[in-house]
Amino acid sequence: EAAVTQSPRNKVAVTGGKVTLSCNQTNNHNNMYWYRQDTGHGLRLIHYSYGAGSTEKGDIPDGYKASRPSQENFSLILELATPSQTSVYFCASGDRGRGTEVFFGKGTRLTVV
Amino acid sequence: AQSVTQPDARVTVSEGASLQLRCKYSYFGTPYLFWYVQYPRQGLQLLLKYYPGDPVVQGVNGFEAEFSKSNSSFHLRKASVHWSDWAVYFCAVSNYGNEKITFGAGTKLTIKP
Repeated sequence: EAAVTQSPRNKVAVTGGKVTLSCNQTNNHNNMYWYRQDTGHGLRLIHYSYGAGSTEKGDIPDGYKASRPSQENFSLILELATPSQTSVYFCASGDRGRGTEVFFGKGTRLTVV
Repeated sequence: AQSVTQPDARVTVSEGASLQLRCKYSYFGTPYLFWYVQYPRQGLQLLLKYYPGDPVVQGVNGFEAEFSKSNSSFHLRKASVHWSDWAVYFCAVSNYGNEKITFGAGTKLTIKP
């Protein structure tokens, strides 16, 4: 069964601090994604990756970095967290190709105080 | 740039009534379209997906969607809703290689007893 695991599930961070959100997938998918979900905006794409070593900017990359050290792992890094980055973050993975299904993790609730 | 608009932020229907959730997309070329559902405190799960071909697509749990190129729409329908359908529904469009998937803002469905 396709599995995407995010850690931590909940995080409280201080303004100006560094936050790393981790994602692991056991699907052997090439593509991985980071989204944030906010009321009224739905899911917005932050960064995505085609495979190990690649990261690409999504629609709202400012203030975020990403790292894909292996096929299985994709991290989202907030170097200097701000309260506006308080949100629920979702990681997902999917195969490369025409309209294939994307599998989501259960989300990480991040609060920046 | 690709985009998805879900014009109804909230929809309320009575249990047993029919349902239509609206989705309009913008995409240059042949779109690959999806409906995902999000139950409380969970990630998104695929309901159905459209590949170029038959405009009516069947999904899980009695859901179906109809693609219209002339209207740039991909509306979701169900003949008779159940209380377990209470969730948030997202429409999405992906590019050819599935590297970039764009979601709408979502429609929150509430079921009246």
